[in-house]
Amino acid sequence: AAGVIQSPRHLIKEKRETATLKCYPIPRHDTVYWYQQGPGQDPQFLISFYEKMQSDKGSIPDRFSAQQFSDYHSELNMSSLELGDSALYFCASSVWGRDEKLFFGSGTQLSVL
Amino acid sequence: AQKITQTQPGMFVQEKEAVTLDCTYDTSDPSYGLFWYKQPSSGEMIFLIYQGSYDQQNATEGRYSLNFQKARKSANLVISASQLGDSAMYFCAMRERKDDKIIFGKGTRLHILP
Repeated sequence: AAGVIQSPRHLIKEKRETATLKCYPIPRHDTVYWYQQGPGQDPQFLISFYEKMQSDKGSIPDRFSAQQFSDYHSELNMSSLELGDSALYFCASSVWGRDEKLFFGSGTQLSVL
Repeated sequence: AQKITQTQPGMFVQEKEAVTLDCTYDTSDPSYGLFWYKQPSSGEMIFLIYQGSYDQQNATEGRYSLNFQKARKSANLVISASQLGDSAMYFCAMRERKDDKIIFGKGTRLHILP
């Protein structure tokens, strides 16, 4: 069965650079979530989208933005990267209102040097 | 206030034994969902099991079962006949109907001993 696809798997950036992470949800999933997981930490919610509209917002820095496109894929754009942005970034997708179908991608490991 | 509490930072269990990972939660929303995820050292977040607040029966998925005690706000994960490959971090998570996001506990690191 198709899963949530995230790209790239690994990303290395310098401070003050920008990064774009991509997420392709499971087919027919209309909701996308982004999470950030620091080393040894639990995942923290950043932002979510339903039908291309932002549906909820968590502790996402102003330097980050995200959107969901007409094909339901989503991109997380990160600018002016800081050392503290180094983390594992997860995307999850689900069918709106169907919690039992909430699945995560393999994550993008971002390292900021 | 912590909404998801996992009181066991780490556990060591002998292979083939059953293991229970504890999770308590706090919510005033009558409608919510509870999740368990497994995160091996490779990093991916693997869905294990889901329990809805209105589900009458405890959820089961193969060797995984969720011991749901609603009055106690407890949602413990039971892994039967543990295997070496079960060694991983396990996260309990909750989604309230009034919110869109799911929130995670701090996790329990499970070590299965041969």
